[in-house]
Amino acid sequence: KQEVTQIPAALSVPEGENLVLNCSFTDSAIYNLQWFRQDPGKGLTSLLLIQSSQREQTSGRLNASLDKSSGRSTLYIAASQPGDSATYLCAVKRGAQKLVFGQGTRLTINP
Amino acid sequence: DTGVSQDPRHKITKRGQNVTFRCDPISEHNRLYWYRQTLGQGPEFLTYFQNEAQLEKSRLLSDRFSAERPKGSFSTLEIQRTEQGDSAMYLCASWGPRESTDTQYFGPGTRLTVL
Repeated sequence: KQEVTQIPAALSVPEGENLVLNCSFTDSAIYNLQWFRQDPGKGLTSLLLIQSSQREQTSGRLNASLDKSSGRSTLYIAASQPGDSATYLCAVKRGAQKLVFGQGTRLTINP
Repeated sequence: DTGVSQDPRHKITKRGQNVTFRCDPISEHNRLYWYRQTLGQGPEFLTYFQNEAQLEKSRLLSDRFSAERPKGSFSTLEIQRTEQGDSAMYLCASWGPRESTDTQYFGPGTRLTVL
């Protein structure tokens, strides 16, 4: 059974800092890995999707990496802003249609 | 294209009552998914449709839960005899073959509170 873990559960940093969120998964036979953002009480917004054959994806100030062999992914956020405050979720897809999510990291950027 | 919509956004009910939620996927999306998210946790998969066929159901979907997608467009999720443990956010997502990526598009969710 695929399990996804995100550490830390919560993170608070001053505005302007670079930061890294971590995601680990137990079964390396994944189809892809995605990072989502969720604002309080809202649905999920996809940030980055990395196919199993890829090592990283970038979008603006965000960079996600994938190391299938070690079962790890990181989401790097550069020059953090208060508007980046949200919960960040990683999810893996393995063949079947469903996504398996981690529990999320609640990020707070302090002005 | 207005994205995935869900109705209602909030539902408060008493234990033992039945509730029904609706999801309208993005137009022409043939795949539709239901997830449940409890406070402080990530979403958990409940069930998945391709067109009108329900192809996979999680063990989380007890016999009190039923989902339908009768015409391959909108979907309904019904919970019978609700329990306090059913309190959660119920998320719907969709995907279609014209999308350039494998990303599922999520709706805003229906928050259920069972008193």
